[in-house]
Amino acid sequence: SAVISQKPSRDICQRGTSLTIQCQVDSQVTMMFWYRQQPGQSLTLIATANQGSEATYESGFVIDKFPISRPNLTFSTLTVSNMSPEDSSIYLCSVEDVTGGTDTQYFGPGTRLTVL
Amino acid sequence: SQQGEEDPQALSIQEGENATMNCSYKTSINNLQWYRQNSGRGLVHLILIRSNEREKHSGRLRVTLDTSKKSSSLLITASRAADTASYFCATGRGGGNKLTFGTGTQLKVEL
Repeated sequence: SAVISQKPSRDICQRGTSLTIQCQVDSQVTMMFWYRQQPGQSLTLIATANQGSEATYESGFVIDKFPISRPNLTFSTLTVSNMSPEDSSIYLCSVEDVTGGTDTQYFGPGTRLTVL
Repeated sequence: SQQGEEDPQALSIQEGENATMNCSYKTSINNLQWYRQNSGRGLVHLILIRSNEREKHSGRLRVTLDTSKKSSSLLITASRAADTASYFCATGRGGGNKLTFGTGTQLKVEL
């Protein structure tokens, strides 16, 4: 199974600032996914990040607010821009395990963001 | 919304009892995955069941899938206090595709 790390694990930010979250995987993967989990809620997909192409965003999420980079097959970043208290959430990245042909998705430990 | 529903929303049981959580979804799927989340941390993958499978076991976990009813259940046998967590089902539509998560069940196992 893939081992995924995220930085930072948590942060407290001021309104109007931006935060970049990093996601590192211990193996090369084609697709990486970014999810948001608002307090007390389930997970919602923000975007899919492929190496070498622009990220694909889900309805309700836009690139200006959540720019994503995918410079190589083991790394991705998600930036939360111009933050407001409504952006307070846990942000998680995930990858699909294709080596075993299982379609299993593994998740990073998450980044807990609080916006004041 | 394509989000699935889970019930119950919350479940409280005594250690040693069995816990059953149900998940319903709306679209056709290739697989369904169950995850555990402890105290707002990352998700731990528990089990994946494919659309052509009806039942799967892993340790104390038993998952069933009924594609005709678009539903799945997760049974945890002989529960322990350490099983206290939120449990989510997530449906996938095949390789490289995004997951759609259910609303989750909060399980509390008391000593």
